[in-house]
Amino acid sequence: AQSVTQLGSHVSVSEGALVLLRCNYSSSVPPYLFWYVQYPNQGLQLLLKYTTGATLVKGINGFEAEFKKSETSFHLTKPSAHMSDAAEYFCAVSENQAGTALIFGKGTTLSVSS
Amino acid sequence: KAGVTQTPRYLIKTRGQQVTLSCSPISGHRSVSWYQQTPGQGLQFLFEYFSETQRNKGNFPGRFSGRQFSNSRSEMNVSTLELGDSALYLCASSLGHGKGSYNEQFFGPGTRLTVL
Repeated sequence: AQSVTQLGSHVSVSEGALVLLRCNYSSSVPPYLFWYVQYPNQGLQLLLKYTTGATLVKGINGFEAEFKKSETSFHLTKPSAHMSDAAEYFCAVSENQAGTALIFGKGTTLSVSS
Repeated sequence: KAGVTQTPRYLIKTRGQQVTLSCSPISGHRSVSWYQQTPGQGLQFLFEYFSETQRNKGNFPGRFSGRQFSNSRSEMNVSTLELGDSALYLCASSLGHGKGSYNEQFFGPGTRLTVL
């Protein structure tokens, strides 16, 4: 069965510092992997996705993630945090070709201080 | 292009009642998925409908049900509400055909259900 583990329910960084949010998954088949962001009282917005091809994927707002099959990881990074990055981030996996029926991690709240 | 819309945005019910939530997908999208978000359990997949048929189902009791209409609009129903059903219910739509390619899911703002 699929599962997603996000290490750290809360991460705090200073503005300008590196952001690293960790995600490990388990899947019996090559999965689709996603990172979503949720701002207060809003729905989810797709940051980036891995489906096939290049294992380093770039997303919106300067975020990127690397699919490492040997480590079953898909960590999210951003070189320099901005105050507007403060939000909750979710890693998700899908095993079907349509990329639906997402299994989410518990989420990581990112705080950015000035 | 209009996004995914969900109605109502907020709802208060009492235990034992039933509730129906509505989701209108992006025009042209045929897949609609529902998710429940709670502080304790996080985001959990409820079910997915594609072309009026349930295509995938999560691990929820039978009190949770859904349907999809010919115009792709979807409703989910929760019968005999329990306190633990209080949550943000999110709907997501996509083209959904999955024929050798991934179709991005777009999420609506959610319906916040409070059960008293």
